[in-house]
Formats: sequence, C-alpha cells, structure tokens
Amino acid sequence: GAGVSQTPSNKVTEKGKYVELRCDPISGHTALYWYRQSLGQGPEFLIYFQGTGAADDSGLPNDRFFAVRPEGSVSTLKIQRTERGDSAVYLCASRPTGGSYNEQFFGPGTRLTVL
Amino acid sequence: AQSVTQLGSHVSVSEGALVLLRCNYSSSVPPYLFWYVQYPNQGLQLLLKYTTGATLVKGINGFEAEFKKSETSFHLTKPSAHMSDAAEYFCAVSLQGAQKLVFGQGTRLTINP
Repeated sequence: GAGVSQTPSNKVTEKGKYVELRCDPISGHTALYWYRQSLGQGPEFLIYFQGTGAADDSGLPNDRFFAVRPEGSVSTLKIQRTERGDSAVYLCASRPTGGSYNEQFFGPGTRLTVL
Repeated sequence: AQSVTQLGSHVSVSEGALVLLRCNYSSSVPPYLFWYVQYPNQGLQLLLKYTTGATLVKGINGFEAEFKKSETSFHLTKPSAHMSDAAEYFCAVSLQGAQKLVFGQGTRLTINP
C-alpha cells in the first residue's frame, strides 16, 4: 500500500517568504508527527497530532511555525517569514491507531532551502 | 529529559566485516529504543525496536541490537557487512506512553569493497 507522502520534495524560497509543506499520512493512521532534520543532525521533533488536534507542539521553535490537520488526515506545516536557519529537511511520520510502541512510518521529506 | 548519543558520526568497515554502531541513551525511566536506517533521498525505515521482554532484538537485513540497562546502551550489530548496508543509521528513544521520538545525531556507515 501507499506510504507517507510529502509535497513538494524540494522547496526553494527567499528569506522572509511564507511556505507550506504538505504531508499525506498512511490511510487510517490517526497519529501524525512532524520532525525537522538539519544537515548532519538527527531528526528533531516539532509537533504531534492525534486526529485533528495538536497533542504536543512543544518542539515548534517559535511562533513563525504552525501546523494544521483540519480533517484528521492531511497535515500542512506552515512557516512564516522564513529565515536561512529554517533550511532543513522536514519529515512527516504517521502511526496507526493502537500501533505498537510508537512505531512511526516516515515519509521521504521535503527539503527546504531558504536563500 | 531523554537524550541519545551515537558514538562516531562515521564508521567505515570492509565488506564481510562486523558492523558495530554504538548508541547510549539517557532516561529516568525505562524507554522504548529504536534503530532507523536512512538511505539517500529516502525516508527513515525502522530496523528494529526494543520495548519490553527479551533484551536481544533481531531486525531486518540481519541486524540486531542488545538492550543493556546497566550500561544504558543499545548498540547495533551485524556479523557480516554488505555493500547495500551503506546508509545513515539513527538510534532513537521514546518514553513509554510518550509519543515523540528523540534521535541521536546519526552514524554514516560506509562499506569498503
């Protein structure tokens, strides 16, 4: 079956612009996560959705970052007034209801470059 | 708070040699432990996980890891490296009941012919 998909695969933008990154989870997965992976680092947690609501947004670095999941499936990560330091690969993962022990399935990521 | 340390950002072994990737964690309570592999331009793929029970865990592609509570370690091994094992490997920890994964910095594994 289809895995987690993310669009676009690459996004180049200019400093100060607004960007949206999309994540399509595996069908039926109720939990959805966003992570950010900077060059040479491991992924860092940003936000976790259970259904439509954000259950944990403690990883969002500041108020320029916001994420939504209005219908409990697709999620959009929104970044306002982008900065060069936002350049990274943004990973999305989903987990099924009752999925054992936090097993998360990852998408291929969106590589964001802020010029 | 939990943390993960992967010793060695880059490991190089010969084809057929033993692979050993080190992972130590810090957690105040018994965690869940994971190893993920990332091939170029692909997402993270779960290799294996430890939750409870047997401390020696076997995963895909011939990898295994052993949870050693006394050493707070979860090192990944494979007896004989293949060229196809070349990738980035990440150790991760999650608290029971918590949802987010905390990752180490990763180890890039290179296989020499």
